[in-house]
Amino acid sequence: QQPVQSPQAVILREGEDAVINCSSSKALYSVHWYRQKHGEAPVFLMILLKGGEQKGHEKISASFNEKKQQSSLYLTASQLSYSGTYFCGTPEINSGGSNYKLTFGKGTLLTVNP
Amino acid sequence: DAGVTQSPTHLIKTRGQQVTLRCSPKSGHDTVSWYQQALGQGPQFIFQYYEEEERQRGNFPDRFSGHQFPNYSSELNVNALLLGDSALYLCASSYPLGSDTIYFGEGSWLTVV
Repeated sequence: QQPVQSPQAVILREGEDAVINCSSSKALYSVHWYRQKHGEAPVFLMILLKGGEQKGHEKISASFNEKKQQSSLYLTASQLSYSGTYFCGTPEINSGGSNYKLTFGKGTLLTVNP
Repeated sequence: DAGVTQSPTHLIKTRGQQVTLRCSPKSGHDTVSWYQQALGQGPQFIFQYYEEEERQRGNFPDRFSGHQFPNYSSELNVNALLLGDSALYLCASSYPLGSDTIYFGEGSWLTVV
């Protein structure tokens, strides 16, 4: 099932903070975050794993609440370059126990203005 | 280190035609997946290839088919194109099979008229 993201859109001024939420109706063992700029492909931001391990390479933080089946992405002191659509993705596990695909939410459009 | 590369970047086809999209995975990656992203939506999984076989398939009709070559590159073929097939087609690669992290290519924009 598709994860639900909120808000659908947010407009910020440079330097302001934002939180993007992602919730799922099923148990999760990880949540993946991507950012997509207009006309470009999604770029991997971060993966949050069960147990608290976090893997990523951007100066963006996130949380993962396994019990609530939710994840939140925190963008602090936003920069113009943060503008784009943010997607969370949740993995589907095949019969062999391996992750084989991500199911993405509909995205959150973040606009950072000067 | 080259990332995932796709070709062509843009193409326009007529309804009923067939199209082939190509993908070279990131160096060292042996698993390739294809996603379709319609305007305003998140990417949707089409299928995954590993060891030259289709391993998993999403909810897409048989008009969508693929292939993986011994060098891990892949093709996506769509037959009998419909207007609704207009979308961004993304190739994603990963290693090993079942890896938590996938990397997307820049995509191929397909417009069906």
